[in-house]
Formats: sequence, C-alpha cells, structure tokens
Amino acid sequence: QKEVEQNSGPLSVPEGAIASLNCTYSDRVSQSFFWYRQYSGKSPELIMSIYSNGDKEDGRFTAQLNKASQYVSLLIRDSQPSDSATYLCAVNPVDDKIIFGKGTRLHILP
Amino acid sequence: EPEVTQTPSHQVTQMGQEVILRCVPISNHLYFYWYRQILGQKVEFLVSFYNNEISEKSEIFDDQVSVERPDGSNFTLKIRSTKLEDSAMYFCASLSTTQKDLYGYTFGSGTRLTVV
Repeated sequence: QKEVEQNSGPLSVPEGAIASLNCTYSDRVSQSFFWYRQYSGKSPELIMSIYSNGDKEDGRFTAQLNKASQYVSLLIRDSQPSDSATYLCAVNPVDDKIIFGKGTRLHILP
Repeated sequence: EPEVTQTPSHQVTQMGQEVILRCVPISNHLYFYWYRQILGQKVEFLVSFYNNEISEKSEIFDDQVSVERPDGSNFTLKIRSTKLEDSAMYFCASLSTTQKDLYGYTFGSGTRLTVV
C-alpha cells in the first residue's frame, strides 16, 4: 500500500518566521511530488511541485526533495496570517494517480 | 485562467436516493478524476477516466457508483443509492495529456454531499 505520511499538527508559527512542513512517502519509485494548500471547506490548491532532488524556490515557498530518504518538505518564509491553512503533501508514483497525505494544519500567530 | 467547475456546491439528499455530481473540466484536458474527502480525513482517490472509459478505480468505488461523460464536456459522478457514509466533499480534477505524470491536478471547488 502506497502511503504518504505527515504530522497532522497543528503547527503554530509566529508571523514573519519560517514554517517548516515535512512529509515522507513509501513508494520509492515515485517521480512527482506536490504541495497543496487547503483552506477549511475549500478545495486543494496546488502551490508547489518538485521532481528532482534538491530545492525549488517560488516566492516565499521552497520545496525540498530527498529521494534517497523518501522525504519532501515545504518551507514558508516570512509567514503571514493568510498562510494559516492545511498543507497537503501529494505524491504521484509513475503513471498512477496522485496520493495525498492527511495534511498538516498550520497556524500563523499574529 | 481556465478552471474546473463543479455543481452543485452543496447537495443534501436522503439515504437511498440517487445523486449526480457534475463537473466541467478544463476544455483541452483529457484525464479526469474524482476524489472525495470525508470531514477531517485525507483526500482519497475514487476513479480516473480517460478516453471515455474508466482507467482506474479504488475499492471505495463500488457498484453503486458510476462515472460518465454524457455530452463531451460534462463529467458526472452518480451514486445510485446513497449511504450515510457517502457524506463528504467530492472534488473533480482534470489534467492535460502533456506530461501527465509531472503535473499536479487542478481541482474544482467541490461539492459537499450530505446524506441524511
């Protein structure tokens, strides 16, 4: 069974600080990795995708991938109250549907 | 920016009744998906659809559930006899044929199904 694991939180981070969200996955052949943001009662919104080992930066967001450790992370710099949401890690094994983790609730403290 | 649209946004139905959830995918997309999310739980795969047929379905997708693309644009999920445990948010997603394995889905805004 392919699994994506995340700490459910809540993770509380002061406004302006760096929020660090982590995810591990079980299927070693997975090729594509995604971070979605989900506000309460809303649909998931894709914010980052990463395919190669290392870091990928987009504005205040940095995704990090380590395939050897089967580990994906998301850093949010200069956290804002509007970043308060549930962050879903998602993994796409080769030629398969996307599998989601349960999500980490992030709370930015004003 | 193109978007996936879903209707209705909220559907309340009595147990045992049939419901049809509708989705209009992005126009040039060829891969379609239904996911559901029970309150407080993870987003779960239900079914994928390509070339007018189901390409994969999960064990949740039992014989009471069907998907169709009735008119070449809409993509529907039908639950023939709803159960209390079908209460969830249902999300439609679509993907273009290009580099299918590399792009994350674009989700619709979802339909909240409440079975009473």
